Order: sequence, then C-alpha cells, then structure tokens
Amino acid sequence: AQSVAQPEDQVNVAEGNPLTVKCTYSVSGNPYLFWYVQYPNRGLQFLLKYITGDNLVKGSYGFEAEFNKSQTSFHLKKPSALVSDSALYFCAVRDKSNTGKLIFGQGTTLQVKP
Amino acid sequence: NAGVTQTPKFRVLKTGQSMTLLCAQDMNHEYMYWYRQDPGMGLRLIHYSVGEGTTAKGEVPDGYNVSRLKKQNFLLGLESAAPSQTSVYFCASSYSRQGVSYNEQFFGPGTRLTVL
Repeated sequence: AQSVAQPEDQVNVAEGNPLTVKCTYSVSGNPYLFWYVQYPNRGLQFLLKYITGDNLVKGSYGFEAEFNKSQTSFHLKKPSALVSDSALYFCAVRDKSNTGKLIFGQGTTLQVKP
Repeated sequence: NAGVTQTPKFRVLKTGQSMTLLCAQDMNHEYMYWYRQDPGMGLRLIHYSVGEGTTAKGEVPDGYNVSRLKKQNFLLGLESAAPSQTSVYFCASSYSRQGVSYNEQFFGPGTRLTVL
C-alpha cells in the first residue's frame, strides 16, 4: 500500500538557521511527490513537486526538497528560516491510479522563533 | 480568477440535520476532490470526481454523498450529520494533460463544521 510518513510532529528552529522537515514514502514504481504548506485558518498551498529529473527541486518562498530514491525520502529544506515560515507542512504522494488522488502525511508543525 | 471557493465558511449543525457544502472552481479543471482534516490525521479523501457527471469514493466516504452536475461545481452532502463529522472540510481541484493527472491540487479555504 502507498503511504507517506512525516516522523516529526513539530520542528523548532531559530530564525536565520537552516530548516529541514522530513518525509519518507512507500510506493511501488516511480513516485510523484508534493509539499504543501497550510497557514492558520487557511487552505493548503502548493510549494513544490518532484515528478522526474533533477533530485533537487526548487519551489516557492525559497523552499527546496531533495528526492532520495535509495532512502525513499523527500525532505523539505530552506537555507535560512523566517518567522513567517511558521506553519503546518504536508508531504504527499500521488496515488498510482490515474485520478490525481494524493495521499498525505499527517503533517509537521514548523515553529520558527526570532 | 477566484480559484477554488467554498460555501459556507462555518456551520454548526445538530445531530441528524442535513446540509450541503458547495465547492466551485473557475480554472476549468477536470478533477475535483473533497477532503476532511482532523488533528494529527492529515487530510483524508472523502470523494472525488474525474469529470462532470462522475464521482467515486475515497478513503472515508461513509455518511457523505457528492454530485458533480457541472464541471465547475462539486457538492458534498451530509444526509444525517453525526458528531464524528465535526471537522474542517477542504475542496481541491487539479487539471490533467492528455488524460494524465500528475499535477498539483489547488485547495479552497475550507469549511469548519461542528455537529452538536
């Protein structure tokens, strides 16, 4: 069965420091992977995706993610965190059926402190 | 473009009452989805549609029905609300290319539903 795991409920980082939000996946074949961000009382916003090609994917707001097939991971990273990055982050993998369905992880709360 | 909109934003129901949540998108997307979000459980797919007039069950369909009579609208109905359906509901849409969908979904702002 396909699944996504975000092993950390919360990540705390100081402003200006690099941040990493972890995601691992389990899917047969080549995965299509996504990261979304949710600010309080808002819907999810797309950050970036990996479909094929370069393992390092760049996205919105200075975020990037590294696809690692051998470790089945797709960690979200940013070189220098901002207080405004504080939000709930979701990793997702596309379902193998051709319906565009996404399977989401349980989410990781990122707290960036001044 | 308004993107994906949801109506209403908030609603309080009593057990046994019914209601319909409306989702509308103006991006001409083929695919539409209804999710519920509960603390610590991420988003779970309720129902989805791959085109006008078609719907299918997702991960947690019990207690919900849907209809997609127009391409731009996707309705979620609760026939007899239960406290377990207290949640935040999100609608999303995505487009396909040559019948293949591998693209990101666009989400609405959500509906916060409380069932007493």
